[in-house]
Amino acid sequence: GAVVSQHPSWVICKSGTSVKIECRSLDFQATTMFWYRQFPKQSLMLMATSNEGSKATYEQGVEKDKFLINHASLTLSTLTVTSAHPEDSSFYICSAAQGTVYGYTFGSGTRLTVV
Amino acid sequence: GENVEQHPSTLSVQEGDSAVIKCTYSDSASNYFPWYKQELGKGPQLIIDIRSNVGEKKDQRIAVTLNKTAKHFSLHITETQPEDSAVYFCAASKATGNQFYFGTGTSLTVIP
Repeated sequence: GAVVSQHPSWVICKSGTSVKIECRSLDFQATTMFWYRQFPKQSLMLMATSNEGSKATYEQGVEKDKFLINHASLTLSTLTVTSAHPEDSSFYICSAAQGTVYGYTFGSGTRLTVV
Repeated sequence: GENVEQHPSTLSVQEGDSAVIKCTYSDSASNYFPWYKQELGKGPQLIIDIRSNVGEKKDQRIAVTLNKTAKHFSLHITETQPEDSAVYFCAASKATGNQFYFGTGTSLTVIP
């Protein structure tokens, strides 16, 4: 079945530094990838939709200059949290869609802690 | 836009009993409804889904029902086991765009 690999699974960084999270579709080409943020005991909040070869579409309230998304190939999307602050600490999850297939696959998530 | 509500937020059942989680949605154009199971520290895993042209779907101990008129759908887990303990999310999506709108989640605890 479809597999989405997300890396790293956890990361601790200092305030002011940038962190890059990778999302890869291992056995299919993902024309669309989604990035979610999840706070403890809360639902998934869609941050942005990235389409291969074009700019990401950000949800209202998400700072595009802070959360840089790059979807340079059909198997890789990256989320870079720039100038991270403690309030950016969260669980970030990506998912990938294969063409117009309805159901898409989630990555295993990245726990970001900013100290 | 779409609004998905999910109840209950927490649910405890004895092992072997059934568990039911309910969701409602607001946008009649939504036509795909997946359910995800999320274990602590992991990403959500698709457990079952249903499309709007079907009223019920079953996969072993898990079933989902959909009432398009009332705009609600439910997850049914029978013969629950401790390993069913997790957070379950419902979601709704339209045919185009593939953007999912998630419910708020249900924390299910199965007591041995």
